Amino acid sequence: KQEVTQIPAALSVPEGENLVLNCSFTDSAIYNLQWFRQDPGKGLTSLLLIQSSQREQTSGRLNASLDKSSGRSTLYIAASQPGDSATYLCVLEGGSEKLVFGKGTKLTVNP
Amino acid sequence: NAGVTQTPKFRVLKTGQSMTLLCAQDMNHEYMYWYRQDPGMGLRLIHYSVGEGTTAKGEVPDGYNVSRLKKQNFLLGLESAAPSQTSVYFCASSWTLSGANVLTFGAGSRLTVL
Repeated sequence: KQEVTQIPAALSVPEGENLVLNCSFTDSAIYNLQWFRQDPGKGLTSLLLIQSSQREQTSGRLNASLDKSSGRSTLYIAASQPGDSATYLCVLEGGSEKLVFGKGTKLTVNP
Repeated sequence: NAGVTQTPKFRVLKTGQSMTLLCAQDMNHEYMYWYRQDPGMGLRLIHYSVGEGTTAKGEVPDGYNVSRLKKQNFLLGLESAAPSQTSVYFCASSWTLSGANVLTFGAGSRLTVL
């Protein structure tokens, strides 16, 4: 059974810092991996989608990478801002399982 | 674009009462999902639908029923609410991009069962 782990569960950084969020998974047979952000009391907003044939995707200050062989994905946020404060979730789709969610990393960017 | 709309946004029920959560999407997506989100548990799939007239059980289906009579709507019903069903419920729909399911979520419905 696919298991998705996001460590750390919470992260606090000063504004302007570059940071990396981690997502690890146990089964490398995945179709795609998505990163979402969730603001308090809100729904999930899609950030980036990496398909199994891709190694990374970029959108603005965000860069997501995928290494299936090691079972890891990272979300890199450059020059972090207070508006980046949210919970970030990774979601995997693969094999016979439906979408599998990580529990998220709660990011706080301090002014 | 409205995307995925959930109603109601908040609801308080007494144990044993029934209610229906409505999810509507205007993107012509085939797949629709209902999840619940609880502290420390992440999102768990309750039921899903791969098209109009179809439904299937997810990870935690007990105590819930669903219907997909129209492609754009996916209803989640609680026949006899229990305190364990206090949660935030999210509806999502998806489209396929080169075989990958790309999800769009609603804003959530917070349900409290007393």
